Amino acid sequence: AQSVAQPEDQVNVAEGNPLTVKCTYSVSGNPYLFWYVQYPNRGLQFLLKYITGDNLVKGSYGFEAEFNKSQTSFHLKKPSALVSDSALYFCAVRDPNYGGSQGNLIFGKGTKLSVKP
Amino acid sequence: DSGVTQTPKHLITATGQRVTLRCSPRSGDLSVYWYQQSLDQGLQFLIQYYNGEERAKGNILERFSAQQFPDLHSELNLSSLELGDSALYFCASSGRGPGLFFGSGTQLSVL
Repeated sequence: AQSVAQPEDQVNVAEGNPLTVKCTYSVSGNPYLFWYVQYPNRGLQFLLKYITGDNLVKGSYGFEAEFNKSQTSFHLKKPSALVSDSALYFCAVRDPNYGGSQGNLIFGKGTKLSVKP
Repeated sequence: DSGVTQTPKHLITATGQRVTLRCSPRSGDLSVYWYQQSLDQGLQFLIQYYNGEERAKGNILERFSAQQFPDLHSELNLSSLELGDSALYFCASSGRGPGLFFGSGTQLSVL
C-alpha cells in the first residue's frame, strides 16, 4: 500500500539554525512528492514538489527538499529558520491509483515545527 | 489568500442531520478536490471533480456525496451525520500553477 511517514510529531529549532523535517515514502512506480505547510486556522499552502530531475528541489520561503531514491526519503530543509516558519508541515505523495492527477494525494500525519527566538 | 472560498467556516449540527458544504475554486480552475482532516485519520482525500464530472473517488463514505456545478463551484453533502464525522473539511482546486490551492476549510462539529 502507498504511504507517507513523518517520523517526528514535533521539531524544535532555534531561530537562525538550520532545520530538517523528515519524510519517507512507500509508493509503486516513480514518486511525485510534495510538501505543504499549514498555518493555524488556514488551509494548506504548497511549498514545493519533486517529479523528476534534480534531486534538490527549491521551493517557497527559502525551503528546499532533497529526494533520495535509495532511502525513499524526501526531507524538507531550510538553512536558517525563522520564527515565522513555525507551522504544521505535511509531506505528501501522489496516489498512483489516480493516474496523472497531482491532486489525489496521500498525506503524512504532519510535523509541527516550532522555531524559538 | 489562495483564491479558494469555502462556506460556512463553522457548522454545528446534531447526529442524524444533513449538511451541505460549499466551495468556490480559484477563477479558471476546473478541478476541485475535497479532503477531510481529523485528529485520528489525518488528511484524507475524499473526491475529485473536473469540469463538472466526477474524476476520482477516495475514502468517501456512502453517506457523503458531492457535485460540481456548471459555474464550477462544488458542494459536499454529508447526511445521517455521526459523531465521528466531526472534522475539518477542505476544498482545493488546481489548474494554473503548481500544486493544490486550499481553502480555509469548514469546521464541522456533530453533537
